[in-house]
Amino acid sequence: DQQVKQNSPSLSVQEGRISILNCDYTNSMFDYFLWYKKYPAEGPTFLISISSIKDKNEDGRFTVFLNKSAKHLSLHIVPSQPGDSAVYFCAASARDSGYSTLTFGKGTMLLVSP
Amino acid sequence: NAGVTQTPKFRVLKTGQSMTLLCAQDMNHEYMYWYRQDPGMGLRLIHYSVGEGTTAKGEVPDGYNVSRLKKQNFLLGLESAAPSQTSVYFCASTFRRAGNLDTEAFFGQGTRLTVV
Repeated sequence: DQQVKQNSPSLSVQEGRISILNCDYTNSMFDYFLWYKKYPAEGPTFLISISSIKDKNEDGRFTVFLNKSAKHLSLHIVPSQPGDSAVYFCAASARDSGYSTLTFGKGTMLLVSP
Repeated sequence: NAGVTQTPKFRVLKTGQSMTLLCAQDMNHEYMYWYRQDPGMGLRLIHYSVGEGTTAKGEVPDGYNVSRLKKQNFLLGLESAAPSQTSVYFCASTFRRAGNLDTEAFFGQGTRLTVV
């Protein structure tokens, strides 16, 4: 049972345009959500996060939106740059679980073309 | 600051062989994790540890064992490797802050394991 779903395996965007990556979750206990970026042959690196008490968090070109009623979050990258080309993983954790393990989605490969 | 370091980076094993993957972190993190990444499957948790001397099973623990004898090290063992264990393995660590669950994980660079 996949608790965190990224239904788009890939996304292609032109440089300067907006990239929107989507993530859905099924576990209502999740209360903290993160996005990770992964380049080939490297480990994932933390990008941005959002707590369930918020519906938006912004960091430079990156904004994450959370819609709790729909159990949906999205990552917006504006403007997109070729260096943003990577695999993006959505992850979630449940505070009440007592430990901070992360449940990951399958990832979305973003390709930003010049 | 090295962060999370995994050893080795690459390894080829024959079916039935054993090996140990080493993860070391220098951030004094309490929590450490082993994930595997397979095509189309994302990152799946194998085992994790919430502190020195403790370990627990994750989503896909079968065929693996772990040990956390020192806070900074987390070892992943394969007793009898199988082709199904061909994967990229990632170690990660997190720092739990009192009163606020900090789930930002720091990952190592990965170990690419092939079992033939």
